[in-house]
Amino acid sequence: AQSVTQLDSQVPVFEEAPVELRCNYSSSVSVYLFWYVQYPNQGLQLLLKYLSGSTLVKGINGFEAEFNKSQTSFHLRKPSVHISDTAEYFCAVSDDNYGQNFVFGPGTRLSVLP
Amino acid sequence: GAGVSQSPSNKVTEKGKDVELRCDPISGHTALYWYRQSLGQGLEFLIYFQGNSAPDKSGLPSDRFSAERTGGSVSTLTIQRTQQEDSAVYLCASSLGARGSYEQYFGPGTRLTVT
Repeated sequence: AQSVTQLDSQVPVFEEAPVELRCNYSSSVSVYLFWYVQYPNQGLQLLLKYLSGSTLVKGINGFEAEFNKSQTSFHLRKPSVHISDTAEYFCAVSDDNYGQNFVFGPGTRLSVLP
Repeated sequence: GAGVSQSPSNKVTEKGKDVELRCDPISGHTALYWYRQSLGQGLEFLIYFQGNSAPDKSGLPSDRFSAERTGGSVSTLTIQRTQQEDSAVYLCASSLGARGSYEQYFGPGTRLTVT
């Protein structure tokens, strides 16, 4: 069975500072990895995904993430955050085994301070 | 094109009443998921439909919860004899199919409050 760990439940950061949100997963098979963002009172929106190929993945709103197979990690980064990046961020892992194979992490609340 | 829609957006009900929550997935998406998100919490998987296969109900918290998907499209989540602990946002998502590489597209959610 798969699992996803997001070690930081809350991350406060000042505007224009860099940020890294950590995600680690466990799985015995090849996986696909996703980051979703949830703005207040909205559903989840895909930020980026890793399926195969280059381990550095670029997404929307200036975010990027790097897949590290040896460390089973998929950390999300942004070099300079804006107030509008304040939201909940969820890491998710899936595979091609039969059935419901999507597992979400518990989420990290990013608060960007002026 | 149209995204995933959910109705109602908000529902307030009295303890013990039954409620029905509706999800309209993106046209052509064969996979449909229901999740529950309690205040300040992550996503709790409830149920998964894929095409004509039997649904994966492994996440339903009790037999008061049930869901159906008619014609491979619209889905209804029913909660019978609601309890205060059922208060949460219920999110629906759909995807192209069963492959793990297919991302999920989420609706805006239904906020359920049980008084």
